[in-house]
Amino acid sequence: EDQVTQSPEALRLQEGESSSLNCSYTVSGLRGLFWYRQDPGKGPEFLFTLYSAGEEKEKERLKATLTKKESFLHITAPKPEDSATYLCAVQARGSQGNLIFGKGTKLSVKP
Amino acid sequence: GAGVSQSPSNKVTEKGKDVELRCDPISGHTALYWYRQRLGQGLEFLIYFQGNSAPDKSGLPSDRFSAERTGESVSTLTIQRTQQEDSAVYLCASSLAGLAGGWADTQYFGPGTRLTVL
Repeated sequence: EDQVTQSPEALRLQEGESSSLNCSYTVSGLRGLFWYRQDPGKGPEFLFTLYSAGEEKEKERLKATLTKKESFLHITAPKPEDSATYLCAVQARGSQGNLIFGKGTKLSVKP
Repeated sequence: GAGVSQSPSNKVTEKGKDVELRCDPISGHTALYWYRQRLGQGLEFLIYFQGNSAPDKSGLPSDRFSAERTGESVSTLTIQRTQQEDSAVYLCASSLAGLAGGWADTQYFGPGTRLTVL
């Protein structure tokens, strides 16, 4: 069964304290892995798509990496405005194109 | 440009009533998806439209749930005889090509409809 597990469930950082969020996945053929950010009361906001192992993408303080079993979202020198829930999702080959989501990591960055 | 919009933003209903949720996708997006997000749970896939066709409806939780789409435009998700376990945020997403594109194209989400069944 295709599934996505994110860890930790919650993460508290001080402003400037870098860290990483983990997304482990099992899927019958990966078509793509997605990272989203979700603020309270809002829909998920797209961050990155990764397609194959070894791929990396960066955007401001965020960097996403992908291996054959997991993805990491690295946050460098976070700011309070980075506080949100970060969602990881996979799209499997042979699926309807739907995304399979993890439960997310809730990140809090204190000034 | 305009993103995905959903209405209403909040809906409170009584158990047993029918509700209709609306989604307006990004203009030009052929694929549309419905998901459900229960408190403390991950997003759960409900149904996918390529154009106005839904190839597989097996993701819908029960036969009380139905969905339709007009052309490559608005979609409605209808829940009949609502139950308390239907309380959740219902999210709609659209993408440019869906499976027809042959790649994992990005799904853009709307703000969701928060449904509360009393």
